[in-house]
Amino acid sequence: NAGVTQTPKFQVLKTGQSMTLQCAQDMNHNSMYWYRQDPGMGLRLIYYSASEGTTDKGEVPNGYNVSRLNKREFSLRLESAAPSQTSVYFCASSDLGGGGSGANVLTFGAGSRLTVL
Amino acid sequence: AQSVTQLDSQVPVFEEAPVELRCNYSSSVSVYLFWYVQYPNQGLQLLLKYLSGSTLVKGINGFEAEFNKSQTSFHLRKPSVHISDTAEYFCAVSEGSGGSYIPTFGRGTSLIVHP
Repeated sequence: NAGVTQTPKFQVLKTGQSMTLQCAQDMNHNSMYWYRQDPGMGLRLIYYSASEGTTDKGEVPNGYNVSRLNKREFSLRLESAAPSQTSVYFCASSDLGGGGSGANVLTFGAGSRLTVL
Repeated sequence: AQSVTQLDSQVPVFEEAPVELRCNYSSSVSVYLFWYVQYPNQGLQLLLKYLSGSTLVKGINGFEAEFNKSQTSFHLRKPSVHISDTAEYFCAVSEGSGGSYIPTFGRGTSLIVHP
């Protein structure tokens, strides 16, 4: 039972380069999320997908794009990386998609540490 | 929109001492409250959650939290900490019907347990 798997675990980019962070979950969850974690800032939501075929912006979407490829996979793309995007990125999933009913417990991946020079 | 404030960015404590990590929230609707723990170089994992009912919630590893609606607080406590409890702790809130189901996280409290 892998849960939420993120790749790569570490990546170093130069300013202006592009890359995609991959995320896959094997729990048949409807919803998936991308957060970034910065010192003293906690976790901030970048994008989320309430269900397959839908994506929505979170608190800090600028500079990122996402694709919900299928129910299992949710990728995060940086088209032109900037030093401000140096961060640890977490993918998460949950078994709740919209409606606001019930508690939304997230399962997190181990994180992807990205450095932009 | 909901928000979460964790009042302490760092809490140092000696092993076997009690600890309290403070969390306050704001929301205009009913809430669900969570504490997550992040051990070094790992992702977050659920420690405990409050959905409804008893205001005292017990979680893993001997932690518990108390929901106080009048104080809009959800403080995390442990009567006797171990070195292995050294980690980052995040309080989170999501809203019930009519609100946002997506959790908002606090900035985190670093618990440092000294021998």
